[in-house]
This record gives sequence, structure tokens and C-alpha cells, in this order.
Amino acid sequence: QKEVEQNSGPLSVPEGAIASLNCTYSDRGSQSFFWYRQYSGKSPELIMFIYSNGDKEDGRFTAQLNKASQYVSLLIRDSQPSDSATYLCAVNALGGSQGNLIFGKGTKLSVKP
Amino acid sequence: NAGVTQTPKFRILKIGQSMTLQCTQDMNHNYMYWYRQDPGMGLKLIYYSVGAGITDKGEVPNGYNVSRSTTEDFPLRLELAAPSQTSVYFCASSYSWGQETQYFGPGTRLLVL
Repeated sequence: QKEVEQNSGPLSVPEGAIASLNCTYSDRGSQSFFWYRQYSGKSPELIMFIYSNGDKEDGRFTAQLNKASQYVSLLIRDSQPSDSATYLCAVNALGGSQGNLIFGKGTKLSVKP
Repeated sequence: NAGVTQTPKFRILKIGQSMTLQCTQDMNHNYMYWYRQDPGMGLKLIYYSVGAGITDKGEVPNGYNVSRSTTEDFPLRLELAAPSQTSVYFCASSYSWGQETQYFGPGTRLLVL
């Protein structure tokens, strides 16, 4: 059974700081990596995806992928209180009982004003 | 586009009762999914469908059934509700398998007493 691991947190950072969220995955053959944000009581929404090794930037968000280390991270620059949420890492699967995405349990981020 | 819609938003069931959670998407997506999310436990796949008339079991299918008679609708049936089925249920859809975003509905909160 393939797995995706995240530190559950909570991760607390002051407003304006960089928040760093980490995720490791067990299947070396994984190809696609996603970061979802979930506000309390709401559904997950996609904020970034990455397929290739290296960095991918989108506004204040940067996804980093290292396939050799089986590690993907999300950096949030200039963190805002509105970034306070749970961040779910997801990795593609190949069907069967895990469907096409395996989700980590999420890291709760709290940005303090 | 409404995206993915779910009804009801909240329901209380007595042990042994049955109900159907409704899910509809208007994005013409072939792939649809049902997840349950328990506190601190991440998203667990219950069932998924790769097209009308085709469904498959996820990680936690026991106690549930699905059908997919149209591209738009993917209802989840709970038979003989048990307290262990108390959870938040999310329906999701995607255009393709693997490298595409999954779009989530707003969720149904179910309490079994």
C-alpha cells in the first residue's frame, strides 16, 4: 500500500514569515504531486501541482520536488492569517483500491498576526 | 458552472437507517470519487467511477454502495447505518486520470446515533 506522510502540526508561523510544509511518499514511481488547501469545515481546493524535479512558483506559493529523495514541499512566502488552514499533499496512484490520488493526513498551519 | 454539488449538507441518521448521498457535476468529467474524512485521518477513498456504468471499490467500501447511470450523477448509498459511518463525505470529479485536478464538492456531514 502506497503512503504519503505529512507532519500533522500544528505549524505556527508569524505573519509575514515563510511557512514550509513537507511531504514524503513511498512509491518511487510516482509522477504527479498536488497540494490542496482545506479551510476548517470546507472542502479541499487545489493550490498547486508539480510534475518535474525542481521548483515551481505561483505567486506567494512555491512547490519543490525532489524525486530522488521522494520529497515534495510547499513554501508560502509572506504568510497571511488567511493562509491558516490544513494543507494536504497528494500523490498519483495507479488505480486499484487507492484510486488515482493518495492523500496525506494534512498539516495544519496557523499564521499568527 | 456549479461544479460539484452535494446534498444534503448535514444529516442525522439512527443506527440501521439507510440514506443516499447525492453528487452531481456539470463539468462533463468522466471520473468521479467518493471520500470520507474523519478528524485527523485524511481522506479515504470509498468508491470511484471511471465513466457511466463503471465503478470500483476504494480503500473503505464496506457498508456503502454506488451507481453511475449518467456522467453527471454519482450517488452513494449507505445501508444499515452504523456509528462508524459518522464522518464528512466528499464527492470529487476529474477530467482525466492521474495528472488532472480533482474538484471537490462542499461535503455532507453525517452523524449516526
